[in-house]
Amino acid sequence: GAGVSQSPRYKVAKRGQDVALRCDPISGHVSLFWYQQALGQGPEFLTYFQNEAQLDKSGLPSDRFFAERPEGSVSTLKIQRTQQEDSAVYLCASSLGSPGTEAFFGQGTRLTVV
Amino acid sequence: KNEVEQSPQNLTAQEGEFITINCSYSVGISALHWLQQHPGGGIVSLFMLSSGKKKHGRLIATINIQEKHSSLHITASHPRDSAVYICAVRSWGNTDKLIFGTGTRLQVFP
Repeated sequence: GAGVSQSPRYKVAKRGQDVALRCDPISGHVSLFWYQQALGQGPEFLTYFQNEAQLDKSGLPSDRFFAERPEGSVSTLKIQRTQQEDSAVYLCASSLGSPGTEAFFGQGTRLTVV
Repeated sequence: KNEVEQSPQNLTAQEGEFITINCSYSVGISALHWLQQHPGGGIVSLFMLSSGKKKHGRLIATINIQEKHSSLHITASHPRDSAVYICAVRSWGNTDKLIFGTGTRLQVFP
């Protein structure tokens, strides 16, 4: 596609519900990142994939958060047993993967846990 | 203390004014990005720089590596420039992950 596509754009979940957020990176982009942006804050790193390999998951806030990219293209961020503090915008970005190349961001998924 | 600090947090201006947003960082970096975020969440990359100065239209970005400081300037500001401007750095030795500032919310009034 022309850009990074994320779905859904908005998600309202009841506390305790599981959610799955999808990211379609730019075709051919090796690197894929997930970031979490709380209201009024800058994005914070969650996890990083190089192709299908998850090379860095140091930013995942708890074991309720899980990300995968099984075929090195589409990625899914799953949050189990959602809690109110999970409410945020979840941003996906992709890049060609060479050091220093520009990252392209999706529109984000705004998750609200009620 | 955050690794990336921006100032001011909020900025209002009249159309036509010259605007400066500042970014200071405390880590060694390989590159610094200036990003624009409109309501609704989407982020657009404005500049990626590792030294000197870049210009694109009415936007100018500068970086001083020794002082660990960067500025984003907007000349002849316009209401459509209203957005959140975010500074982000890529630190040495990491993956290409970015460390973000908290952003500067700019409102330009006609």
